Amino acid sequence: AQKVTQAQTEISVVEKEDVTLDCVYETRDTTYYLFWYKQPPSGELVFLIRRNSFDEQNEISGRYSWNFQKSTSSFNFTITASQVVDSAVYFCALSEPVSNFGNEKLTFGTGTRLTIIP
Amino acid sequence: DAGVIQSPRHEVTEMGQEVTLRCKPISGHDYLFWYRQTMMRGLELLIYFNNNVPIDDSGMPEDRFSAKMPNASFSTLKIQPSEPRDSAVYFCASSSGLAGGPGQFFGPGTRLTVL
Repeated sequence: AQKVTQAQTEISVVEKEDVTLDCVYETRDTTYYLFWYKQPPSGELVFLIRRNSFDEQNEISGRYSWNFQKSTSSFNFTITASQVVDSAVYFCALSEPVSNFGNEKLTFGTGTRLTIIP
Repeated sequence: DAGVIQSPRHEVTEMGQEVTLRCKPISGHDYLFWYRQTMMRGLELLIYFNNNVPIDDSGMPEDRFSAKMPNASFSTLKIQPSEPRDSAVYFCASSSGLAGGPGQFFGPGTRLTVL
């Protein structure tokens, strides 16, 4: 069975500090997809990134970066120079490929509540 | 596109009443998903459809829950009869299913309170 573990329940950092959110996953599939979603206080779920299991290149998007390591089954998310607007709950998710397209049947972690202190 | 649309945004009902949640996916998306979010259980996939056909309903908690997708632009999640433990935020999401695509887009959710 698939499982996603986000061991950090809550994190607080002072604005402008860097912060890393951890995500460890378990799957028996050789092809899978990993995701990060952001849930701000308003409640909606915002897609951040989707990563194919065959692509271990790290990705950077502005202040956000992701480190995917298959050897440790981890897909960590780093926010550089954090801002108050980054305060949210962040979810890591793993998908079980039902078809060749992937991204169906997401299994979510329990989320990490990130608070950026001004 | 307006994104995934859910209605109502908030629903308060009494135990035993029927509740119907509605979802309009993004036009052109072939997959539609219903999730439930609670403090105790987090985000759980209830059921998902592909081309209006239910593919996996293993997450539906009980027979009290049912979901339909009569056409490509509309889906409902019904709870009958409702119970206080059904109180949660219910999200609908849709995706194109295309390889390399951006994944599932979520609606704003319906916050259900069963008294």
